[in-house]
Amino acid sequence: VQLVESGGGLVQPGGSLRLSCAASGFTFSSYWMSWVRQAPGKGLEWVANIKQDGSEKYYVDSVKGRFTISRDNAKNSLYLQMNSLRAEDTAVYYCARDAMYYFEYWGQGTLVTVSS
Amino acid sequence: SSELTQDPTVSVALGQTVRITCQGDSLRSYYGSWYQQKPGQAPILVMYGKNNRPSGIPDRFSGSTSGNTTSLTITGAQAEDEADYYCNSRDSSGNHLVFGGGTKLTVL
Repeated sequence: VQLVESGGGLVQPGGSLRLSCAASGFTFSSYWMSWVRQAPGKGLEWVANIKQDGSEKYYVDSVKGRFTISRDNAKNSLYLQMNSLRAEDTAVYYCARDAMYYFEYWGQGTLVTVSS
Repeated sequence: SSELTQDPTVSVALGQTVRITCQGDSLRSYYGSWYQQKPGQAPILVMYGKNNRPSGIPDRFSGSTSGNTTSLTITGAQAEDEADYYCNSRDSSGNHLVFGGGTKLTVL
């Protein structure tokens, strides 16, 4: 199982960024997937998850209306569209295979920095 | 604020046994899981469900749940076990996932 995130970088407050996660080594379309983030020096925070077929999506309250999780099962890829970014969204963002109440596998993360 | 509560720091002497706990009302309804994270690395799953260890996790790691508390026990702690440990479960609504604030384990 391999999960590789990309798309992080420096963005100004109010800006947008799209993260991607390329999955391999398992049948991507059979699993829920999640995004989890970790602000510098802080703990883990679940951000959002998405059902196998994309029909159900859930978000932590702090990103609802600003972030959108999506997936492309044909491309074995997970995405996180982040709009209206704030300084407090600065974090390493991990994608993780979601087994409904635990995260079996994690990527290495991609750093998002929101700063002017 | 997290719906799961962990002690921020715990220490253990080399070779001794340590229990790291996680409290939350949702644990009465949902299993918890545990992750180990070392500096600069992604978290790894070390315990899930009633008492399940993923492949490759040493058997000195064990888990238990009682009431609103889930625990991770390391029997015979090793220097390489020094890390941050996070618990995770569903929140009270069941729709969202939550993490505890983390416990920094020091092996003396």
